[in-house]
Amino acid sequence: AQKITQTQPGMFVQEKEAVTLDCTYDTSDQSYGLFWYKQPSSGEMIFLIYQGSYDEQNATEGRYSLNFQKARKSANLVISASQLGDSAMYFCAMRGRDAGNMLTFGGGTRLMVKP
Amino acid sequence: GAVVSQHPSRVICKSGTSVKIECRSLDFQATTMFWYRQFPKQSLMLMATSNEGSKATYEQGVEKDKFLINHASLTLSTLTVTSAHPEDSSFYICSAIKGTWGIQETQYFGPGTRLLVL
Repeated sequence: AQKITQTQPGMFVQEKEAVTLDCTYDTSDQSYGLFWYKQPSSGEMIFLIYQGSYDEQNATEGRYSLNFQKARKSANLVISASQLGDSAMYFCAMRGRDAGNMLTFGGGTRLMVKP
Repeated sequence: GAVVSQHPSRVICKSGTSVKIECRSLDFQATTMFWYRQFPKQSLMLMATSNEGSKATYEQGVEKDKFLINHASLTLSTLTVTSAHPEDSSFYICSAIKGTWGIQETQYFGPGTRLLVL
């Protein structure tokens, strides 16, 4: 079975600073995908970034980058130059055949950006 | 990206009534859609997988007779909460995959529906 763990229930970051949100996973699959989603207070889930298990380079999307360390089974999200609008819940998720290609979510991290 | 809409965004109903929630993929065809439930301050819990033209696959512990799912077309899936009770009050989110359902395909989520059963 696959499992996603986000150990930080809540985090503060100063505006304009970078922040790292932790995510570790466990799976017996060799091929899997890792995703990060942002959920603002409105409730919608916004896709941020994707990393494939065979991708050699860390994924980047604008201010978002994924620090993928396969041996450690971690897929941390790095947000650079935090903005007030980044305040939200962030969910790490993975998909693999181990779970029938279903998306499995972590418990989430609430990020609060301080002005 | 891709756009998924949900309707209604918010609904309040009396206990014992049924509520239908629609999920539409606006700019792509979705063979597979998913329905999630989210309690306050918790993560998303998958309720069921909806496949166009066939019966939905429910996760363990989800009552299929209570949460009726219909995926009548490649752009529409509906979730009907039958005989709703206060404990069914929750945030329901649908999701769809654009393209073939594979490991790397991104799931796009609707804006969610807040259900309050009085």
